[in-house]
Amino acid sequence: NAGVTQTPKFRILKIGQSMTLQCTQDMNHNYMYWYRQDPGMGLKLIYYSVGAGITDKGEVPNGYNVSRSTTEDFPLRLELAAPSQTSVYFCASTPRGDEQYFGPGTRLTVT
Amino acid sequence: QKEVEQDPGPLSVPEGAIVSLNCTYSNSAFQYFMWYRQYSRKGPELLMYTYSSGNKEDGRFTAQVDKSSKYISLFIRDSQPSDSATYLCAMSGNNRLAFGKGNQVVVIP
Repeated sequence: NAGVTQTPKFRILKIGQSMTLQCTQDMNHNYMYWYRQDPGMGLKLIYYSVGAGITDKGEVPNGYNVSRSTTEDFPLRLELAAPSQTSVYFCASTPRGDEQYFGPGTRLTVT
Repeated sequence: QKEVEQDPGPLSVPEGAIVSLNCTYSNSAFQYFMWYRQYSRKGPELLMYTYSSGNKEDGRFTAQVDKSSKYISLFIRDSQPSDSATYLCAMSGNNRLAFGKGNQVVVIP
């Protein structure tokens, strides 16, 4: 059981570039989440999904998009990267919507 | 008032001391309470999970929930340098999930 895996671990983007952060879980969890974590600011929810084909916005969705075509995968797309999107991104999953299991994170720098 | 308040101030303690962390919350719908531990440059990992008022123990860790006061605590007994991490409280209920900002703990050998 690998749990929640995220790729890449690190990435540097130029302003205006796009990229997709990958997230996969092998626990057959229905609920999946994307967070960003900035220093001293805690976790902020970007998007979440309660099952394949269903996604919804979180607290800070602007500049991001998601899709959930399978139970296992929940990619996060950044279009037109901006310096404000420099952050650490965490994907998480849970079977019931309460205790969450996190991936190792992706450190993104936009310059 | 923020939904979850957690004083983020760094906490330094000598090895062997008791670490006490707490969070307050305002949403009465929260029924599930969690503590996560996050080591530097790693993802948060679930440490303790409880859904009722009272105490729950797991080794050196005790989670305490007081729903009437909307207050939760985490105690770490006989703290070790390996306990140095950021601890985040989290709570959920009625399809809401909220995290505290995290509390950095440093255990000095």
